[in-house]
Amino acid sequence: AQTVTQSQPEMSVQEAETVTLSCTYDTSENNYYLFWYKQPPSRQMILVIRQEAYKQQNATENRFSVNFQKAAKSFSLKISDSQLGDTAMYFCAFTQTQGGSEKLVFGKGTKLTVNP
Amino acid sequence: DARVTQTPRHKVTEMGQEVTMRCQPILGHNTVFWYRQTMMQGLELLAYFRNRAPLDDSGMPKDRFSAEMPDATLATLKIQPSEPRDSAVYFCASALGEDQPQHFGDGTRLSIL
Repeated sequence: AQTVTQSQPEMSVQEAETVTLSCTYDTSENNYYLFWYKQPPSRQMILVIRQEAYKQQNATENRFSVNFQKAAKSFSLKISDSQLGDTAMYFCAFTQTQGGSEKLVFGKGTKLTVNP
Repeated sequence: DARVTQTPRHKVTEMGQEVTMRCQPILGHNTVFWYRQTMMQGLELLAYFRNRAPLDDSGMPKDRFSAEMPDATLATLKIQPSEPRDSAVYFCASALGEDQPQHFGDGTRLSIL
């Protein structure tokens, strides 16, 4: 069974600084996707970034980037120039692509607080 | 921007009552998911559909939960009878198809007294 582990229940960062959130996963599949979702206090689930396992290049979206280490099964999220609006729960998630099963398996989340 | 719409946003009811949650997926999306979020268990998949056919409902307690898609624009999740342990936030998500990212609704916060 696939599992996703986020080892940092809570983190804080000063505004304008950089923070990295950790995520590891376990799977025997070779093709899969990894995601980071953001859940602000409004409780929306917002897709931040997506990585395809067969792509070696790390995904980036503006201030958000990932460090994808397939051999180590690691998928960390880096937030540059942190903003107050980045305060939220961040969930790492995994979905396999083979066999038509696409359910997302989520980690427990990291609560990020950006301080002014 | 197209969005997944869930109703109601909040629901408070007494145990034993029937609860129905509704979801309107993004137009054109053929895959619909139901997730439940609790403090203890985090986010868990309950069931999902593709082209209105159920593909996986292994995460759903079969004795009291049921999920359906009466048509392509409506998905429902029913609990009958409801119990206090069903209190959670229930999310619906939709995707354009296989290997496409899931877009989430705002969730229904359910409280069973």
